[in-house]
Amino acid sequence: GAVVSQHPSWVICKSGTSVKIECRSLDFQATTMFWYRQFPKQSLMLMATSNEGSKATYEQGVEKDKFLINHASLTLSTLTVTSAHPEDSSFYICSAAYLTQETQYFGPGTRLLVL
Amino acid sequence: SQQGEEDPQALSIQEGENATMNCSYKTSINNLQWYRQNSGRGLVHLILIRSNEREKHSGRLRVTLDTSKKSSSLLITASRAADTASYFCATVPTDSWGKFQFGAGTQVVVTP
Repeated sequence: GAVVSQHPSWVICKSGTSVKIECRSLDFQATTMFWYRQFPKQSLMLMATSNEGSKATYEQGVEKDKFLINHASLTLSTLTVTSAHPEDSSFYICSAAYLTQETQYFGPGTRLLVL
Repeated sequence: SQQGEEDPQALSIQEGENATMNCSYKTSINNLQWYRQNSGRGLVHLILIRSNEREKHSGRLRVTLDTSKKSSSLLITASRAADTASYFCATVPTDSWGKFQFGAGTQVVVTP
């Protein structure tokens, strides 16, 4: 299947700093990328959908100024958690899809810990 | 909001036994997919079943879909310790193409 990578795999930062997470589709061009958040022992919650070259669509309750998403190319999307606080600590997972979006290919996730 | 609900929430079995988990959903769907997640890792796509399909097989996996009951089941036959993971169903509603809605997941532990 298609390969999606995320970087970094884990990050620890101080409260108030910004953190950027990269999501790359390695062997296909992703027309759409999705960003999810997962709390321990819980399911994935969709945060936003990003299409290459256009603004991301955020789910209800997700602050767009807090979670900046950029999808500059067909193989790269970034999520920036701005002015991170301890409550932003979570597991962030991206996925990538091509055209029909019937199947999404997931990255390995990024664990963020804000102290 | 989460649409799929998995049942049971947790399942503990021995190697060689079969594991069955169910997923229920609320709205009309284009397809339903099952994913596996090992602890602290990303999701691995297992199988996709479309709304006009009733059953699908892939190796030791068997998935059924009953659109009249809005439910699906995943059967893992002859389980192995390596099958230990959380299993999630994801539905793609007809009115929000591409937006997955994940269930809460079933945590499966297979002991040798």
